[in-house]
Amino acid sequence: DAGITQSPRHKVTETGTPVTLRCHQTENHRYMYWYRQDPGHGLRLIHYSYGVKDTDKGEVSDGYSVSRSKTEDFLLTLESATSSQTSVYFCAISGLPLYEQYFGPGTRLTVT
Amino acid sequence: SQQGEEDPQALSIQEGENATMNCSYKTSINNLQWYRQNSGRGLVHLILIRSNEREKHSGRLRVTLDTSKKSSSLLITASRAADTASYFCATALRQGGSEKLVFGKGMKLTVNP
Repeated sequence: DAGITQSPRHKVTETGTPVTLRCHQTENHRYMYWYRQDPGHGLRLIHYSYGVKDTDKGEVSDGYSVSRSKTEDFLLTLESATSSQTSVYFCAISGLPLYEQYFGPGTRLTVT
Repeated sequence: SQQGEEDPQALSIQEGENATMNCSYKTSINNLQWYRQNSGRGLVHLILIRSNEREKHSGRLRVTLDTSKKSSSLLITASRAADTASYFCATALRQGGSEKLVFGKGMKLTVNP
């Protein structure tokens, strides 16, 4: 998976609890992305980063925050998880914003 | 509605046959990309075609792009059971000062041995 890891790979949590997902890359790519994948919706962009401490919102950013303090790490936080945030979350990286993206293995999050 | 939509949503063929998937989009693009996703895995980039290109090949893959019709097709020749996966088109566009890749909902290809 092109030097991208995600942790945890699976998580079950309760409604209202905070959750942080981590994406780690060893490719030194500038751009990093968080997506969620849901049946019938395909892949939707949550947040992305174009450099250390530089982040921006995607199309489904409500309820999520991100941080990038180092080139290699991009964190996605659900401040107070809700059942609608049950999904598979993918991290991706790219060297340039409009070109090929390399995806991590995904994190399956279940909010009960 | 989606910027990129794959058609058909599902396709089942026999090993050795060709598989054609189509993608339509709505706005001007910088390039169009195709990705594959095996069950339970992340997406894998297959091929990129720029807006000024009409056709591109990579192994058994052939991609065409018709910007006048805002559509693209992905042809997989001599399909194999290992080609069973979901396929996504993604359009690269500049919108409102941002540059982004917008993925379609995907289509499922089943290749029967």
